[in-house]
Amino acid sequence: SAVISQKPSRDICQRGTSLTIQCQVDSQVTMMFWYRQQPGQSLTLIATANQGSEATYESGFVIDKFPISRPNLTFSTLTVSNMSPEDSSIYLCSVAGGVNEQFFGPGTRLTVL
Amino acid sequence: AQKVTQAQTEISVVEKEDVTLDCVYETRDTTYYLFWYKQPPSGELVFLIRRNSFDEQNEISGRYSWNFQKSTSSFNFTITASQVVDSAVYFCALSEAGHGSSNTGKLIFGQGTTLQVKP
Repeated sequence: SAVISQKPSRDICQRGTSLTIQCQVDSQVTMMFWYRQQPGQSLTLIATANQGSEATYESGFVIDKFPISRPNLTFSTLTVSNMSPEDSSIYLCSVAGGVNEQFFGPGTRLTVL
Repeated sequence: AQKVTQAQTEISVVEKEDVTLDCVYETRDTTYYLFWYKQPPSGELVFLIRRNSFDEQNEISGRYSWNFQKSTSSFNFTITASQVVDSAVYFCALSEAGHGSSNTGKLIFGQGTTLQVKP
């Protein structure tokens, strides 16, 4: 199984600022994914990040708000821009592993004041 | 459109009871994947099982068992002799198949079932 780490594990931010979340995987993977889990809710896919190409965003999510970088096969970042309290969530990165497995990072708990 | 429904929002049982968590899914794909994850209070998602649409065999892993029935589009999860450490939110998820019928990684999650196991 893939080992995934995320930084920061949690943060408290002020309205209007931006936060960049890092996701590191211990093996090379083609596809990485970013999910959001709002308080008490389920997980929703934000975007798919493939190395060497633009991220693909799901309906309701836009690049200006959630820019993503994927500089290599083991690393990705998600930025939450111009934050508002509604952005308070857990953000999780995920990778599709071998034999159709799917693993998640520990998540980043974001609180926006 | 793909959809996953976990009708049970919260379940409370007493330790050692058996409990079944329901999951019903909708998809037009003939090849797809179903997952169960556990999310303890610490927040991380723990992978429990993956099942592809061509494998309807039920599976047992220790106290956990899964019943996959394509005829009713259900993938239910049973915990036998529940323990306090089983207390968590459990998510069922569906993934479409991509090129080569592999998992695309785009998971659609149900709303989750919060399981509380009381001592």
